[in-house]
Amino acid sequence: AQSVAQPEDQVNVAEGNPLTVKCTYSVSGNPYLFWYVQYPNRGLQFLLKYITGDNLVKGSYGFEAEFNKSQTSFHLKKPSALVSDSALYFCAVRGYHTGKLIFGQGTTLQVKP
Amino acid sequence: GAVVSQHPSWVICKSGTSVKIECRSLDFQATTMFWYRQFPKQSLMLMATSNEGSKATYEQGVEKDKFLINHASLTLSTLTVTSAHPEDSSFYICSASRQGVGELFFGEGSRLTVL
Repeated sequence: AQSVAQPEDQVNVAEGNPLTVKCTYSVSGNPYLFWYVQYPNRGLQFLLKYITGDNLVKGSYGFEAEFNKSQTSFHLKKPSALVSDSALYFCAVRGYHTGKLIFGQGTTLQVKP
Repeated sequence: GAVVSQHPSWVICKSGTSVKIECRSLDFQATTMFWYRQFPKQSLMLMATSNEGSKATYEQGVEKDKFLINHASLTLSTLTVTSAHPEDSSFYICSASRQGVGELFFGEGSRLTVL
């Protein structure tokens, strides 16, 4: 079975400071990992993915994530947060055989001016 | 990027009626689409996997007769909530992907309110 855990319901950070949103996963076989962002009453926007290759993945809007196999983690990071980054962030893992995308519980990011 | 269109974006209906939600992949063919349900301030729960030309695969606990899924073409999947009740009120989101294990592209969601 595949699963994703986001241990923080909410992350608060001041604008201009670096941010980290944590994610750990469990999956059989190679992990296919994703980060999505959701704004209120909207669908999900794709930020970045790890399929294979370099452990540091760069994505949209200045976000990046680091795949750590030994710690089974895929934390989302950004060097300098913007107020407009405030939203709900989801980590997800996709099973190779099932194709299903399973989401973590989500983390609300609040960036204060 | 790929575009997935979902319609309607919101719908209000009376208890006992049926509601159909459409999900279209506009610029690519999707052999597989996925339907999710999201409650306020919660995560997305996978309801079913929609396969073009065959029956949908439902997740455990999802009523097949309540949530009818039809994937009649490579660009269209529909979710019909039959005999809707207030507890079916939710945000329904569809997604689709190109072949392989790449990212899924999501529709904008459909908010269903059953009175």
